[in-house]
This record gives sequence, structure tokens and C-alpha cells, in this order.
Amino acid sequence: DTGVSQDPRHKITKRGQNVTFRCDPISEHNRLYWYRQTLGQGPEFLTYFQNEAQLEKSRLLSDRFSAERPKGSFSTLEIQRTEQGDSAMYLCASSPWGGSGEYSPLHFGNGTRLTVT
Amino acid sequence: AQTVTQSQPEMSVQEAETVTLSCTYDTSESNYYLFWYKQPPSRQMILVIRQEAYKQQNATENRFSVNFQKAAKSFSLKISDSQLGDTAMYFCAFMPPLSSGTYKYIFGTGTRLKVLA
Repeated sequence: DTGVSQDPRHKITKRGQNVTFRCDPISEHNRLYWYRQTLGQGPEFLTYFQNEAQLEKSRLLSDRFSAERPKGSFSTLEIQRTEQGDSAMYLCASSPWGGSGEYSPLHFGNGTRLTVT
Repeated sequence: AQTVTQSQPEMSVQEAETVTLSCTYDTSESNYYLFWYKQPPSRQMILVIRQEAYKQQNATENRFSVNFQKAAKSFSLKISDSQLGDTAMYFCAFMPPLSSGTYKYIFGTGTRLKVLA
């Protein structure tokens, strides 16, 4: 168990550019989440994958944001035409499926800190 | 809509003392899951303790325990024998049942705890 890995750790980009982040969940974890966290706030839900299927997406999420999880392993989060308001920590988390519907706690990565200038 | 409220933005406690962090939530569901997560400075978020709503017994994990009051929709975290390593942001999180149609964990805004030597 090597933990949830996120890359890059930091990203600085100019407004209007596209950025892509990667998340490698813990092996065998079929549930994967993306959250966004701004300073002084709790994590805000962005999207959820169960295996390769994107089952839930925040209604607050602009269509500039897109996420994929091909083959149900790693996931990518892309932000197109970045804005200064996109500056935040982007967290990825994974967990195994409880089978009976019981929820297992989330295992978080270290996050990707995005700064849009 | 489910909400999680942490009314204490910051708290401090002397080393070896006991501190209680409060959390209230709002839901119409009868079965759900509650979690406390810890986020040390510049480090990843980790699970502290979890509670299933259908269990009346309060969860405990070593120095950490909860006071779960279902009727009052309250879920406080007690840290006994506080240690310097407990200094962190603490987030309360709520997870509704699958039957609610959502998979997202809902986080509070956090309480910044500082343990003083």
C-alpha cells in the first residue's frame, strides 16, 4: 500500500491556460473522488468515480472542468481556460467499496496546489 | 440538503490536557456515517475516527473519542492527553446512505487546533 499519489504537487499557470492533474489511487480501490480545498475552508466535492464510471459530478462544477478515469485505475482532472478563482488545492481520495453498501473512509493524497496568475 | 457545521474556527489546548471539538450536521436521513479527519500543516488528510449512525455506542480510538448525539445531530470529538503532534486542522465529515442518491462526503469548514507546550 503506497498511498494515494498526486502529480504534480504544485502548478503555477497563467490565466487562460489549460492544466491537467493526475491521481493514482491505492491499488484495488475502486472508488475515487476529487475535491477542491481553498484556504480556510473544508474540502468541496467535485466528482466521484466508481471504477471507470463517473457517477456523480458537482452541479457547481463549471464545464471547464473535466475528469476521466480510464480503465478504472488512475484519474485525471483537467481545467480548461483557467481563471484566478480556480486557485486552490485539488485533493484526490480513494477507498474500497464496502460491498454491502457500507462506506469505507477516504484515503487522501497530498494534493496538487494550483496557482493561477 | 445535508450540511455540516463546525462553529469553532480555532482552538488551543495545553499539552496533556483534554479538548473537545464540536460538529453539528443537518440531515433527514436516519442512517449515515460520520467521520473526523485530521490535516496536519502541509500534510495529507488522515482519518481519526468514524461512527455509524445505527450504532448507539460512541466510537473510540486510543486518545480520541466521540460523543454522538443522534437526536441533537451532534458529533463532537474529544482528544485526551493532547500531544504536540495533534496540532492540525480537524474536519468533521458526513456521508449519507446510498439510498439518498449521492456518493459525496460533506465536510465542515474545519477547526484549527493548536497544542501548546
